[in-house]
Amino acid sequence: GNSVTQMEGPVTLSEEAFLTINCTYTATGYPSLFWYVQYPGEGLQLLLKATKADDKGSNKGFEATYRKETTSFHLEKGSVQVSDSAVYFCALSGEAGTALIFGKGTTLSVSS
Amino acid sequence: EADIYQTPRYLVIGTGKKITLECSQTMGHDKMYWYQQDPGMELHLIHYSYGVNSTEKGDLSSESTVSRIRTEHFPLTLESARPSHTSQYLCASSPTGIGSPLHFGNGTRLTVT
Repeated sequence: GNSVTQMEGPVTLSEEAFLTINCTYTATGYPSLFWYVQYPGEGLQLLLKATKADDKGSNKGFEATYRKETTSFHLEKGSVQVSDSAVYFCALSGEAGTALIFGKGTTLSVSS
Repeated sequence: EADIYQTPRYLVIGTGKKITLECSQTMGHDKMYWYQQDPGMELHLIHYSYGVNSTEKGDLSSESTVSRIRTEHFPLTLESARPSHTSQYLCASSPTGIGSPLHFGNGTRLTVT
C-alpha cells in the first residue's frame, strides 16, 4: 500500500540556517504530494504541493520538488526564522484522489 | 481564516459518557475526514465521507461513529468514552478532484478521565 517516510526529529537550527527535511514515499502510479505545517495548538495548514513529476511546490520561502526517480519530496528553506518553528508533515494522495496518508511529522525548533 | 469549524476546542469528560465532536465546513466540499493525532503527533485516518449518506472507516480502527446527513456537517460520536480515547481529533474537508488539498479545522482535544 501507499506510505510516507520522513526524517525523525526534532530538528534544531539557528536562525538563518538552511533547512532540509527528507521525505520519501511508496505508491503506485503518480500520487500527489503535499507538505503541511502545524503550529502549536492549531490544525494543519497546507504549505505546498506538487501533483506531477518534476513539479516544484513553493510557498513562504519553502520549496519541494517531486522526484519520481528517487520517490522523494524533500522540503527545503534557505534561511529559517524563529516563526518557522512548528511540526512539518509530508503527505501523499493516491492517483484516484484517495485520503491523505501522512508521515509521522518532524518537529522543527529555530532559535535566535 | 478557517472555513472549517470544530467544537468544542477542549473537552474533559468522565468515563462512560457519550460525546459528540462537531465539525462543519462552509466551502461546499464533498469529502470530509476525521484524523486522530496521538501525543507523538502522528496522524491516523479514522473515518471519511465522500458525500451525503456515505461514510467509511479509515486505516485506524476506532470505536467512534460518524454520520453525514448534510454536506457541511460531519459529527463524530463516542457512545461510551474511555481513557484510551484521550487524543486530539482533527476534522478536514476537500473538494473532489485529484490533487486537492485538505483543509483542516483547529481540532478538538479530548481528555477522558
